[in-house]
Amino acid sequence: KNEVEQSPQNLTAQEGEFITINCSYSVGISALHWLQQHPGGGIVSLFMLSSGKKKHGRLIATINIQEKHSSLHITASHPRDSAVYICALRQSYNTDKLIFGTGTRLQVFP
Amino acid sequence: DTGVSQNPRHKITKRGQNVTFRCDPISEHNRLYWYRQTLGQGPEFLTYFQNEAQLEKSRLLSDRFSAERPKGSFSTLEIQRTEQGDSAMYLCASSLELGWLSLDEQYFGPGTRLTVT
Repeated sequence: KNEVEQSPQNLTAQEGEFITINCSYSVGISALHWLQQHPGGGIVSLFMLSSGKKKHGRLIATINIQEKHSSLHITASHPRDSAVYICALRQSYNTDKLIFGTGTRLQVFP
Repeated sequence: DTGVSQNPRHKITKRGQNVTFRCDPISEHNRLYWYRQTLGQGPEFLTYFQNEAQLEKSRLLSDRFSAERPKGSFSTLEIQRTEQGDSAMYLCASSLELGWLSLDEQYFGPGTRLTVT
């Protein structure tokens, strides 16, 4: 069983829709990252969470440590949000390496 | 540009050849990470350094792979006797770790895409 699983794997939306991407994990963590990867490979860190909720612009990330679950929400989605969104874990007892999910491919159509 | 840079961005090589990639982290960052990403998958950890010390290596890092960070600044990743299965995107990231005051956001470079023919 993978230590981190994301759903859905693929997501299409119309511009303006509210989007939710989920991440579930099975190990203890010290932090969870949400990353954005555009075609061509570049990865940008969106959020780093250890508890609660963070908001940046149209993006909101939440984490429930007890349920080992995190969600990334995009409000008023836009075609430029089209990318792969990756959840990554930093394990609490391990070193600083990240364990990555396989990503959710989002396409937002105008 | 003060971000993480990687060179080359693309490398095509024939099976059996050696290749070397370079990563220049953000200048004040003391930690440097290498990851590998194959098509359709999330990145996988390969190794990381704190300053010049290589602190952890994944079992994915076979004896054909070697990484160095000789002066605690830039790092190189060398793959000897490349195989077609080595074709992937090789990503570098850096972070600033201050122990108890840990700022562990990782900043990623653009990656080096390796194609082994």
